[in-house]
Amino acid sequence: KNQVEQSPQSLIILEGKNCTLQCNYTVSPFSNLRWYKQDTGRGPVSLTIMTFSENTKSNGRYTATLDADTKQSSLHITASQLSDSASYICVVSASPAYKYIFGTGTRLKVLA
Amino acid sequence: NAGVTQTPKFRVLKTGQSMTLLCAQDMNHEYMYWYRQDPGMGLRLIHYSVGEGTTAKGEVPDGYNVSRLKKQNFLLGLESAAPSQTSVYFCASSPGRISGNTIYFGEGSWLTVV
Repeated sequence: KNQVEQSPQSLIILEGKNCTLQCNYTVSPFSNLRWYKQDTGRGPVSLTIMTFSENTKSNGRYTATLDADTKQSSLHITASQLSDSASYICVVSASPAYKYIFGTGTRLKVLA
Repeated sequence: NAGVTQTPKFRVLKTGQSMTLLCAQDMNHEYMYWYRQDPGMGLRLIHYSVGEGTTAKGEVPDGYNVSRLKKQNFLLGLESAAPSQTSVYFCASSPGRISGNTIYFGEGSWLTVV
């Protein structure tokens, strides 16, 4: 069964600190992996997209890594800001192109 | 550039009533999707469309119907609403076919069925 599992479920950090969110997946055939940020009451917004051949992808203070062998991905947030408070969703794309499997997300709270 | 627009944003329905959620995108995307998001669960695909005039069932299609008469619009209908359909509904679109394309989401429609 295609599954995407994220950890931790929730995380609280102080402003300025770094954090890492985890995503494990069992999706076949694998096409690509995406990280989305979802602010409370808003729709998800894309942060990164990685294919199986890409190990790292950055978007500002967000850096995603992918290990296709172990089927694990992480999202590292550097120097966190209050605006980083949101849910972060890992999405794995299978074939055909419309098939996306969503994780349940990690809810991040950044405190001043 | 509006992106993906959903209407209405909030709606309360009585059990058995019908309604339609409208999704419009202005990016000329081929693929459009309707998802529902429930607490503790990932987004689940209800129906999708790979082009004007085509629709297909997703993971949780029961109780919903869709239509894609125009490329830019994707309608989600509830013929007889049930409390189990209380959820947040997201429309999304993507250029399609190439799997690395970004999916763009609307802002969500909060539906409560009482």
